[in-house]
Formats: sequence, structure tokens, C-alpha cells
Amino acid sequence: GAGVSQTPSNKVTEKGKYVELRCDPISGHTALYWYRQSLGQGPEFLIYFQGTGAADDSGLPNDRFFAVRPEGSVSTLKIQRTERGDSAVYLCASSSITGELFFGEGSRLTVL
Amino acid sequence: AQTVTQSQPEMSVQEAETVTLSCTYDTSESNYYLFWYKQPPSRQMILVIRQEAYKQQNATENRFSVNFQKAAKSFSLKISDSQLGDTAMYFCAFMKSDGGSEKLVFGKGMKLTVNP
Repeated sequence: GAGVSQTPSNKVTEKGKYVELRCDPISGHTALYWYRQSLGQGPEFLIYFQGTGAADDSGLPNDRFFAVRPEGSVSTLKIQRTERGDSAVYLCASSSITGELFFGEGSRLTVL
Repeated sequence: AQTVTQSQPEMSVQEAETVTLSCTYDTSESNYYLFWYKQPPSRQMILVIRQEAYKQQNATENRFSVNFQKAAKSFSLKISDSQLGDTAMYFCAFMKSDGGSEKLVFGKGMKLTVNP
């Protein structure tokens, strides 16, 4: 597609459940980023992929969060044993060697 | 660690007027980039303007310009001839340019409303 695509757009789940959020970057973009934006805050960095490997995962809050990008394109952010504090908008961005980040419209996660 | 501060949570302006959004940052890095992003209700972050710290000349993109004061660590955004479509959240952001992880550090944002 023309832009970064994220699915689902909205996800409501119950505390303790497992959630997967998908990001389809712009074709040819080698770098992919996940950010988390809580209500009333700016986005916070979670993880950065260069190709298939996680080059920097220093922003993942704990071991319940994990992300993969097995073929260097689509990425999935996985959250285990969700907690109410995980409720946020999860933004994905991709970039080419020019460096400009292009963002998707995010996935809003609500944990009840 | 880098921090970005946007002290004005909200501003409003009349259509066609000029408005300035303020941003300060803290870093010990000498090479970095600064950005202003716009986030409309669609949630998509859209790049407004970018400034390389090594450049003394302030960046300009059509109606948008910045006032970059490196010594003061200040990076304000000026929007001229405000339009209704400029209504959005605006985020100031910082990125190191050391060739490592190109992660952005964002401020808390500022809600701008342009009134007809």
C-alpha cells in the first residue's frame, strides 16, 4: 500500500488476555519502529527493527511485550497477560535510508 | 538521556493569524535532529518540519518556520496564515544523529485550535 498500515484500528480486550497488533510498513522500508502513546502524552519508543532483527528494544516496558519481524517487512507486537495500564494507542512507523519516519494511524488498545 | 518539554498544553488562534508554539529540550549531544509533528484526530503523526542541529539557518516549509536557538536549546514553531486544517495536536521531537537507533523522543504535545 501507499502508507503504513496498522491493524486492528481498535482492540478491546479483557485483563489477562493475549493481544497481537500488526504493522505493514511502506514497501522497501528497512527500518520499522513501534511507539506507545498513552492518553495526553507524546509517543514513547518501544522497539526498532533494522531488517529482521531488533536493533534496539530498550523501550519495551517488561517481558510481557515482544515484537517480531520475521521477513523484514510486516511486524507484529505481542502483549501477554494484558493489564489495564497497557491501554494506549500503539503507533508503528517505517523509514528508508533517507531517514524520514512515516507513521501509521495506530492501533488503540483498551484493556478492561 | 534526552528530554523534550512543551510547556503550553493548549493554544487557540484566529484563522489567518500567526501563532508560535514553544519547545525546549535537554541533551549533551552535539549532533542531532529536531522535528515538529502534527497529529490530527486520525492519530497519524505527520512530519511538519525538520531541523539539523549543525545548520545555523532556520528551516522553513511554506507557512511553517522554526526559530532554532541551539545555545538556549529552544526550538519554536511559527505557523503563519493559520488555516482551519492546522487544528491538531503538535509534538516537538528530538533524535540523536550518532548512527545508532534513530528513535524519536517526543514532548507531551500541545493542542492547537484554529477558529474561523
